[in-house]
Amino acid sequence: AQSVTQLGSHVSVSEGALVLLRCNYSSSVPPYLFWYVQYPNQGLQLLLKYTSAATLVKGINGFEAEFKKSETSFHLTKPSAHMSDAAEYFCAVSDGTGGGADGLTFGKGTHLIIQP
Amino acid sequence: DTEVTQTPKHLVMGMTNKKSLKCEQHMGHRAMYWYKQKAKKPPELMFVYSYEKLSINESVPSRFSPECPNSSLLNLHLHALQPEDSALYLCASSPPPSGGVDTQYFGPGTRLTVL
Repeated sequence: AQSVTQLGSHVSVSEGALVLLRCNYSSSVPPYLFWYVQYPNQGLQLLLKYTSAATLVKGINGFEAEFKKSETSFHLTKPSAHMSDAAEYFCAVSDGTGGGADGLTFGKGTHLIIQP
Repeated sequence: DTEVTQTPKHLVMGMTNKKSLKCEQHMGHRAMYWYKQKAKKPPELMFVYSYEKLSINESVPSRFSPECPNSSLLNLHLHALQPEDSALYLCASSPPPSGGVDTQYFGPGTRLTVL
């Protein structure tokens, strides 16, 4: 069974500083990995996804993530934090065995706080 | 139309009520999902429909009954719920498979309170 672990339930950075949110995966098969963002009282919005085409994945709003098989990691980064980045971030995994209609297994989430 | 809509946004119900949650998408997606999200927790998968057939049921209690009347519509029928079922119920959809796992697009959710 696949799973993801997000290190740090809360991360606080200053506006303009580097954002680094950590995600490690555990999967018996090559995983499909996703990062979603959730703003208060809203649904989830996809930031980016890894599907084995490229190890460095660029997403929306200046976010990117690098898949490192040797470290079983898929950390999310952004060079310069904006106040609008304050939200809950979820890493998610699927093993792709459901013929495309696979449920996602989410990490516990990381709450990103941006200090002015 | 590039969104998943959910109605109602908020629902308060008693333990003896019967209510339904509705989810709709007009993106031609053929897989639809229900997730449950408790406060300050990640979403948890409940059901998956693929081509209008139930393909995954994550051992959800029978007081939750999903229905997929057509490829654009997904319902979740609720009956005899418990207060611990209070949560944000999220619907998602994904395109027809093109190899691998496709992106799931989420609706804004229905916030359910069971009294």
